[in-house]
Amino acid sequence: KAGVTQTPRYLIKTRGQQVTLSCSPISGHRSVSWYQQTPGQGLQFLFEYFSETQRNKGNFPGRFSGRQFSNSRSEMNVSTLELGDSALYLCASSLDPRTYSGVLFFGSGTQLSVL
Amino acid sequence: EDQVTQSPEALRLQEGESSSLNCSYTVSGLRGLFWYRQDPGKGPEFLFTLYSAGEEKEKERLKATLTKKESFLHITAPKPEDSATYLCAVSSNTGNQFYFGTGTSLTVIP
Repeated sequence: KAGVTQTPRYLIKTRGQQVTLSCSPISGHRSVSWYQQTPGQGLQFLFEYFSETQRNKGNFPGRFSGRQFSNSRSEMNVSTLELGDSALYLCASSLDPRTYSGVLFFGSGTQLSVL
Repeated sequence: EDQVTQSPEALRLQEGESSSLNCSYTVSGLRGLFWYRQDPGKGPEFLFTLYSAGEEKEKERLKATLTKKESFLHITAPKPEDSATYLCAVSSNTGNQFYFGTGTSLTVIP
């Protein structure tokens, strides 16, 4: 069974640009969550999508947005990039994190560098 | 506010030297506590889920325990391949998200 696939693996952008990251969850998983990971802050929750609906959102500015398609694939977009957006962006899929099984399966992430 | 604190931030052990990692949590109604392992350049990989105080789970040299305020990840006779960052996370009954600690970076020296 294929794992969670994130593309691209690495990305270099300049301030003010926008970026779109892609995530393909494990087959059969309907929930996709996004996290930002930085050395000082650890994993910070961005948002979660389930069946194309955003169910929960973390404390990030509106420049961060996402969506989920009918095949459960998800994209996140960051507009007007800032230097502080440099981080590893992780996607995690799950059957449904609201259930007790609640295990998240992570992709390898997209390493975004903003210059 | 739900939060997770892990200690120590970094730990260096000699091969075979057992130790424990700590995860203290504050959550309004614990749904589950999770341990993950993260290798450099990779996403976190699931290790254990604990649901109630007193519960224990084991996998090879790792054993996770849970109390009402904290969880421990015990590493018995570690090997160099156990070197990684270990992350703790909690989910609550009142929310739909996971709260992660900043992790413990473990280095096992041959």
